[in-house]
Amino acid sequence: QSALTQPRSVSGSPGQSVTISCTGTSSDVGNYNYVSWYQQHPGKAPKLMIYDVSKRPSGVPDRFSGSKSGNTASLTISGLQAEDEADYYCCSYAGSYTYVFGTGTKVTVL
Amino acid sequence: QLQLQESGPGLVKPSETLSLTCTVSGGSITNSNYYWGWIRQPPGKGLEWIGTIYYGGSTYYNPSLKSRVTISVDTSKNQFSLKLRSVTAADTAVYYCARQRHYYDSSGYYYDFDYWGQGTLVTVSS
Repeated sequence: QSALTQPRSVSGSPGQSVTISCTGTSSDVGNYNYVSWYQQHPGKAPKLMIYDVSKRPSGVPDRFSGSKSGNTASLTISGLQAEDEADYYCCSYAGSYTYVFGTGTKVTVL
Repeated sequence: QLQLQESGPGLVKPSETLSLTCTVSGGSITNSNYYWGWIRQPPGKGLEWIGTIYYGGSTYYNPSLKSRVTISVDTSKNQFSLKLRSVTAADTAVYYCARQRHYYDSSGYYYDFDYWGQGTLVTVSS
């Protein structure tokens, strides 16, 4: 069970869009539509931002969106805002009640 | 509002056992829709799923940690616990407990961690 692969960092100016990829295998991302995304500010616990590949929990702004194609899931932040600067992690169900997280991506708002 | 709180020693000696407890408040640990998980994060690194328990006692572990991990539940106290044996410096991390959704219904598929504790730093050092 290897960690899902994410870019180490992405950046964008306020108002721009950024996309974070999350690449797994046919045993996890490619086999299940059970991908979730988490936002983590420094020193804080992760916060669920996207579940079921593309659904947003109540209270999460609609500028956050998710998608999946094959073994790769993606998180897009549209209309980037200063408060979106954080680390982001994807997570996938990997079968037999096991889960695997991504390597994490630091989003910087320029 | 559901809250989770980790508790336990912040310092553990190498080769000993790390023990943490997560206390759940604002909801019952016996709700049949939910599982309860442990996740850790070494300093400056990413998240790692450790394992999960259902209130009935079924457990599921990360294969890479399975030989050293035990997760248990105490429904009378609305708590679940983590034990990690034979720790080394590589086990130094912030340990989080979380509520894990693991079900589907007519509205969608819920396989994620929706509530998290604040985390507790455990350092392995002599």
